[in-house]
Amino acid sequence: AQSVTQLDSQVPVFEEAPVELRCNYSSSVSVYLFWYVQYPNQGLQLLLKYLSGSTLVKGINGFEAEFNKSQTSFHLRKPSVHISDTAEYFCAVIPFSGGYNKLIFGAGTRLAVHP
Amino acid sequence: DVKVTQSSRYLVKRTGEKVFLECVQDMDHENMFWYRQDPGLGLRLIYFSYDVKMKEKGDIPEGYSVSREKKERFSLILESASTNQTSMYLCASRDRETQYFGPGTRLLVL
Repeated sequence: AQSVTQLDSQVPVFEEAPVELRCNYSSSVSVYLFWYVQYPNQGLQLLLKYLSGSTLVKGINGFEAEFNKSQTSFHLRKPSVHISDTAEYFCAVIPFSGGYNKLIFGAGTRLAVHP
Repeated sequence: DVKVTQSSRYLVKRTGEKVFLECVQDMDHENMFWYRQDPGLGLRLIYFSYDVKMKEKGDIPEGYSVSREKKERFSLILESASTNQTSMYLCASRDRETQYFGPGTRLLVL
């Protein structure tokens, strides 16, 4: 069965430091990959997505992610975080399994940026 | 920009009440979804709809029903609310492979 694992439930970091949020997935078929961000008491906002082509994907707010097929990973990175990046981040995949392609979410990583 | 709106940001209901959560999208998307989000459990799919009057059960449909009478509107119904349905409810609509989410409704059932 397909699944998504976000390896860290919480990541504390100081402002202006780099951050990496890790995501691994398991799937026997090809996948689309997504990162969403959720600010407190809000819905999910699409940060970036990988569908095909270049494995390095750039998104909004200075975030980027790299698709590594051999390691089945899609880690999210930002070189210098701001206080405003404090939020919960969700990795998600769509496996191509025919019929309805379900979006499968990880459990989320809470990023806390400290001054 | 895709816009998905939900009728309420916060709701407080009593056990046994019938509850309607409304979701509207303005992009003519065929596919719409209802999720609930609980701490430690992530997002779980309740129901989805791939066309007007068409619906499919998701992973946790028990205690819920849905209605899709118009393409832009997808309603989630709690026939008889229970305390274990206290949660954050998120609606989404899909354009090809990408889902776009509304702001969420935080429901408290007393």
